[in-house]
Amino acid sequence: EVQLVETGGGLVQPGRSLKLSCVASGFTFNNYWMSWTRQAPGKGLEWVASITNSGGSTYYPDSVKGRFTISRDNAQNTLYLQMNSLRSEDTATYYCTRESSVDYFDYWGQGVMVTVSS
Amino acid sequence: DIQMTQSPASLSASLGETVSIECLASEGISNDLAWYQQKSGKSPQLLIYAASRLQDGVPSRFSGSGSGTRYSLKISGMQPEDEADYFCQQSYKYPPTFGGGTKLELK
Repeated sequence: EVQLVETGGGLVQPGRSLKLSCVASGFTFNNYWMSWTRQAPGKGLEWVASITNSGGSTYYPDSVKGRFTISRDNAQNTLYLQMNSLRSEDTATYYCTRESSVDYFDYWGQGVMVTVSS
Repeated sequence: DIQMTQSPASLSASLGETVSIECLASEGISNDLAWYQQKSGKSPQLLIYAASRLQDGVPSRFSGSGSGTRYSLKISGMQPEDEADYFCQQSYKYPPTFGGGTKLELK
C-alpha cells in the first residue's frame, strides 16, 4: 500500500523558514517524480514544486521560485520542502504527492498545515 | 500557464440524479486531464486520468469525457458518499494547473 506521511508543519512568523518532510512507503521511491501541492484554507489546489526521480531537476511556479526548495533522499525514501522567506499567503495545507508518468498526482499524503502569522 | 475554468462552482443533486461538472482549458490539452475528489477534511483522491480512464477502485458511476479544451466529469446516480469537492487538473504542459473546484452536495 502506498503511503505518504508528511511532518514539519506549524505556526511560523512572516520572513522565517520551515522545512517539511514526507516519508514514502509501499512503492519504489526512486522510480517516481515527487511533488508538493498546497491548499489555502477554503480554497483550491496549487502545485508548489516537483522533483525528478533522480533529484537532478526541480520545478517551481513563480509564486514560490527562489524561496522554496524541493529535495529528496532516495536512500531514506524521503521528500523535503525547504520554505524560506515565508509570507502570509503561504498559509495552507501542504500535501506530498506522487507524480504519475504523465504528470497527474496519483497518491496524496494526509497533508500538513503551515500557518504564517505574527 | 494553462488556465482551467471549472463550472459550476457548486451544485446540489438528489439521490440517484445524474450530475455533470465541466472544465474548460485556455488551450488544447490533448486529453491530458485528471479529476480529483476531495471529501471534507480529507486529502484529494485521483478519480480519472487521461480524461476518461478510471483510477483503480473508483466506482463505475464516475465517467470522464471531452477533447480539445472542453472536458466533463459525470456521476451517473448520485450517492451520499459522492458529496465532496471535485477538481480538474491539466497535465499537458508544465506547470500543472487546477480548476477552481466544484462543491457537490446532496439535496
